[in-house]
Amino acid sequence: NAGVMQNPRHLVRRRGQEARLRCSPMKGHSHVYWYRQLPEEGLKFMVYLQKENIIDESGMPKERFSAEFPKEGPSILRIQQVVRGDSAAYFCASSPAGVDGYTFGSGTRLTVV
Amino acid sequence: GDSVTQMEGPVTLSEEAFLTINCTYTATGYPSLFWYVQYPGEGLQLLLKATKADDKGSNKGFEATYRKETTSFHLEKGSVQVSDSAVYFCALTGSGGGADGLTFGKGTHLIIQP
Repeated sequence: NAGVMQNPRHLVRRRGQEARLRCSPMKGHSHVYWYRQLPEEGLKFMVYLQKENIIDESGMPKERFSAEFPKEGPSILRIQQVVRGDSAAYFCASSPAGVDGYTFGSGTRLTVV
Repeated sequence: GDSVTQMEGPVTLSEEAFLTINCTYTATGYPSLFWYVQYPGEGLQLLLKATKADDKGSNKGFEATYRKETTSFHLEKGSVQVSDSAVYFCALTGSGGGADGLTFGKGTHLIIQP
């Protein structure tokens, strides 16, 4: 049973480009969470999704960031017109129901140059 | 809002030393408390958890007790190994339980020297 799969592991984008980060939850998990880890900081909650629904996006920046979890396929975190301050590690976690079953992926490290 | 405060690192110890990493929290309601560990270049792994006051979570020689009176969840290990070198994060759920994300502390970098 594969764990939470995130790709790519490393992503380099120039300022103004778009970044797409993918997360495939563990089999049987229908809850997906995205977190951002800035250098020397803890993880900050961004968004919580279930299939085809955004449940809580209180941690998402109001502009340029969006997330989806379609009926088929992985969850996508999309960052438009990236800026240097978006450089961070982005982690996805999934659970079958509730936070006790949280499993994290290995993250995508985004570098904006 | 909810918050978690951890002791600042890095914490450097010799092998077989006793470890304590302090964690205190502020939360409404009755959160569940967690310790996660992150090895270099990897994602977070759940180390242990406690869901109610006076519960003790334990795993791989690590343990932490949920102390509601002091709002603390300090991580301890009696004898650390070089392989314990990692970043440790204390975290809690919100009062909404599983529907909320986790609130994390900033992490404590632990370095164990042989």
